[in-house]
Order: sequence, then structure tokens, then C-alpha cells
Amino acid sequence: AQSVTQLGSHVSVSEGALVLLRCNYSSSVPPYLFWYVQYPNQGLQLLLKYTSAATLVKGINGFEAEFKKSETSFHLTKPSAHMSDAAEYFCAVSDNAGNMLTFGGGTRLMVKP
Amino acid sequence: DAGITQSPRHKVTETGTPVTLRCHQTENHRYMYWYRQDPGHGLRLIHYSYGVKDTDKGEVSDGYSVSRSKTEDFLLTLESATSSQTSVYFCAISGNPRGTEAFFGQGTRLTVV
Repeated sequence: AQSVTQLGSHVSVSEGALVLLRCNYSSSVPPYLFWYVQYPNQGLQLLLKYTSAATLVKGINGFEAEFKKSETSFHLTKPSAHMSDAAEYFCAVSDNAGNMLTFGGGTRLMVKP
Repeated sequence: DAGITQSPRHKVTETGTPVTLRCHQTENHRYMYWYRQDPGHGLRLIHYSYGVKDTDKGEVSDGYSVSRSKTEDFLLTLESATSSQTSVYFCAISGNPRGTEAFFGQGTRLTVV
């Protein structure tokens, strides 16, 4: 079985501040991990993915995430928030056993001017 | 953007009526999925398909059925809609469930009154 927990359903940061969105997972086999972003009234768009290569993964729009096996975490960061980053972010896990994507509950990021 | 079209985009229906949502892809991907999105729950898998006429249940399949008679089309049917099925429904596709990201449609907002 696999699961994802996103700590904080809402996160608010000031423009220019560090963005940190937390994701912890559980998986009985080595996981594949994903971050998706959803803008209002849109579908989900892939930000980045970890598939057992480098533990630090760089994605689009300046986001990156680090896979830490010892902490079962895959937190998403961005050094400097922009207003355009305001959206909902979802962490997801699958595995090489063919399990489907399992999503966390999502974190809504608000960026204050 | 991946070629995924969901129809309708919005629907209001009455309790007890049947409803069918359609997902159409132009990518020739093998795997197709239906998710529902509800606040605080992220996305939850309803059903998925791994080929024509090959489907299986997901986490929240009760009250839903699916069909896939062609590679490009995946239909989700609510046999008798209930208010608890008010949600946003997303179709997704992937070439392979093993560590490959899914591409999402724009979603269908269904309201059952």
C-alpha cells in the first residue's frame, strides 16, 4: 500500500520569500514521486518527478524537490515566490510494482504582494 | 498539452438520473484513468483502463462504471447519481503506469441536485 501526506492544506508566503511545501510518503517498494500544480479551473500539470535517478530534482518555473529516503519525504521548494505561483500543489506517488498514482490532499499556496 | 478532451465541462443533474462523462485522447496512450477531486482529499482514483475492454476498480469505485470500446475513448457512468457524487472529475492518460507521469484533462464539474 502507498500513501501521501501533505502537511498544511494552506500555505501563505510573501512575494520574494522562500516557498516550502511538504510531502511525506509511504511505500513498500521504491517509489516514484511527482509534484503537480493546478491553477484555477484547470487540470493538473506536472512540475517535476523523481524516478530513482538524482535525489535533487529540478522542475519547471524554478521549483525543485529533494528525495530523502531516510525521512520518506519529497518536499517542494522555490527560492523566491512570484504572484503567478499561487495555485494548488499536489504530491503523488506510484511505484515500480505498477500501482497507480496516489495523491496527497493538496496544498493551496497563496502569495502576498 | 497532451491531447485529452473531457465532455461535458459542466453538468447539473438531478438525483437518481444516469450520467455519462466522456474522455477522448489523441495520444494513443494505453492507460486511461478517472479521478474525482474533492476538497481535502486530493484526487482519488475511481476506475482505470489498461487497454480496450480492460478496466479495473480504483479506490472509490462504488456507484460508478466505465467502458472502453476504443483506445481513444473512456466513458464514466454514474448509473443513478447521488449528491455525494457532486465533484470535479478528471480524466488522465499515461503510456505506462510504472513511474511515468499521467497527463490530465481539464476536468468536468458535476453537480447533483
